[in-house]
Amino acid sequence: NAGVTQTPKFQVLKTGQSMTLQCAQDMNHNSMYWYRQDPGMGLRLIYYSASEGTTDKGEVPNGYNVSRLNKREFSLRLESAAPSQTSVYFCASTTSPGTYYEQYFGPGTRLTVT
Amino acid sequence: GENVEQHPSTLSVQEGDSAVIKCTYSDSASNYFPWYKQELGKRPQLIIDIRSNVGEKKDQRIAVTLNKTAKHFSLHITETQPEDSAVYFCAATEMKTSYDKVIFGPGTSLSVIP
Repeated sequence: NAGVTQTPKFQVLKTGQSMTLQCAQDMNHNSMYWYRQDPGMGLRLIYYSASEGTTDKGEVPNGYNVSRLNKREFSLRLESAAPSQTSVYFCASTTSPGTYYEQYFGPGTRLTVT
Repeated sequence: GENVEQHPSTLSVQEGDSAVIKCTYSDSASNYFPWYKQELGKRPQLIIDIRSNVGEKKDQRIAVTLNKTAKHFSLHITETQPEDSAVYFCAATEMKTSYDKVIFGPGTSLSVIP
């Protein structure tokens, strides 16, 4: 099993450009999450999908949109990138809410917006 | 809003010594407390967790304690080794039927000096 995979690994964007970060998991997990990681701030939740067909905002959703394409895939879109969105983005998944199982993280996408 | 404080932000110990990282949380509804280890350039991975109905849990050289009344929980690493060097994140989770509300601490960078 590959676990949680993310593409791309690195990306440089100019202000105003758009892009989509892809995430897929092969563990048959129901719940998927997108986090951003900034120095000294830990991991902050952008959006989550508790199950296929549902998505909800997390702590820092402004400037982002998501799509839960199917049970395996959860994408994050930046419509008009800003320098403040320079960060490392992690996708994570877990079996189901309320099951005391760990969140499995992908390898991350390092995004720089100039 | 809810937050998780984590101290210290950086910690340097001699190989073989113990390391202690402390976290406090504000959301009294939190009932699950995982700890993640993130090596440089890698994804966070769960190393130990504790549920709200347990005061202490141990797994070989690592242990976690929880004081729900004081809203404190701590990670203890004994007989530290150079491979313990990493950033450690605590998290406080409120487990719901539709969504696990996870708040991460800002992280502690641990360096073990050989």
